[in-house]
Parts: sequence; structure tokens; C-alpha cells
Amino acid sequence: EPEVTQTPSHQVTQMGQEVILRCVPISNHLYFYWYRQILGQKVEFLVSFYNNEISEKSEIFDDQFSVERPDGSNFTLKIRSTKLEDSAMYFCASSYRGEEAFFGQGTRLTVV
Amino acid sequence: GQQVMQIPQYQHVQEGEDFTTYCNSSTTLSNIQWYKQRPGGHPVFLIQLVKSGEVKKQKRLTFQFGEAKKNSSLHITATQTTDVGTYFCAGNAGGTSYGKLTFGQGTILTVHP
Repeated sequence: EPEVTQTPSHQVTQMGQEVILRCVPISNHLYFYWYRQILGQKVEFLVSFYNNEISEKSEIFDDQFSVERPDGSNFTLKIRSTKLEDSAMYFCASSYRGEEAFFGQGTRLTVV
Repeated sequence: GQQVMQIPQYQHVQEGEDFTTYCNSSTTLSNIQWYKQRPGGHPVFLIQLVKSGEVKKQKRLTFQFGEAKKNSSLHITATQTTDVGTYFCAGNAGGTSYGKLTFGQGTILTVHP
């Protein structure tokens, strides 16, 4: 069964460092998303991406965040200068028509 | 902005008992989706409801979408230990927000054998 894959599964970084989280969405999907989940809390929308551009972003997704689809298969989330409060599980998701979303296993980001 | 509230936050049941979680949106939704997240896992899609008043069943799970398309519920009949996890509703406002999901806080279900 096709699945969304994310790497790495766990990333530890120092405050102020840049991190790139990587995702390979399901191949025929057209919509791509990043969500995050702080431990024990709800899943929060960060950004949606369609037709090679951001279609919507939340208040969380400030200038420190960016997304790219560099080669038609990978979908990346970059955090330029990490803060302690960026520590969370980051989920990539994709969908075919913008409805049912398939989530990856997540990348646990720990900022120290 | 749109808010989705979900209750209860926790539910402990004995195996065989029923379970219900409720979801309420501050705005009318285009559709609502339900996800299950096992401990340490990722959200897994269960179902999507689109029509006003829609009711869908998946074996022991019954999902309802309110007439005003602002609330929804998930009911599990005769819970089993495999039902353990967090159940999230997620609202989709549609329009220019197509695809963006606003998640509720989730209901953590514990089933005691």
C-alpha cells in the first residue's frame, strides 16, 4: 500500500540552527501538507501546498518556515533558526483531491 | 479563525462498553474527517462526512454529521482493546481553505479488559 515517508524519524538540533525535514508524498497525490503536534496536544496545521505553491498557511508558519518541492517527489520543510518551542512531532501529509489525508510517520524534532 | 472543539478529553471504558466522542465547529464545515492515532503513531484516516445529517457506519463505528454541518460524533459499540487510541475530528472549511484540516483536541480512549 502506498505511504508517505518522512526522514529523519528523530532530529535533535541546537537552538538557532537550521533544520530540514523531508517527506516523500504518495506519488499521484496533488496536495501536500505539513502539520505539527506538540507532545500530548492536538495536531496543528502549518501549511498546504498545491500546484507548486503555498495555498494556505497558518499563523505558526512565519518567516522562519519555508517549504519546497525541489524535484517533483520530495517535499521539504525548513526551519531557519530553530527555537525551543519548535520542538514537536512534524507530520507530512498528502492527498489526491484535497480530501482524505495520508499522514507520514512523523519526524520528532527536539530543539536543545 | 475556525475552531474545533472535541469532548470528552479522556474516556475510560471497560471492554464491551460503548464510547462516544463529540465534535463542534465554530463555523459551518464543507466536510469533517475522523482520524485515529495510536500511542506513538500518526493520524490514520477513518472516514469523511460531507452531507448535512449524514450517517456512516464502519463495523462497530458510527459517524454522524449534524444538520447544520457544524457538529459531528463518533460512536463505538462494544469497545475492544484494539480501539485504544486518540480519536480526532478534523474540520475542512472548504473554499480557499480546501484541504486544510482544523483538528479537535482529540479524545483519548482507554479500554480496560
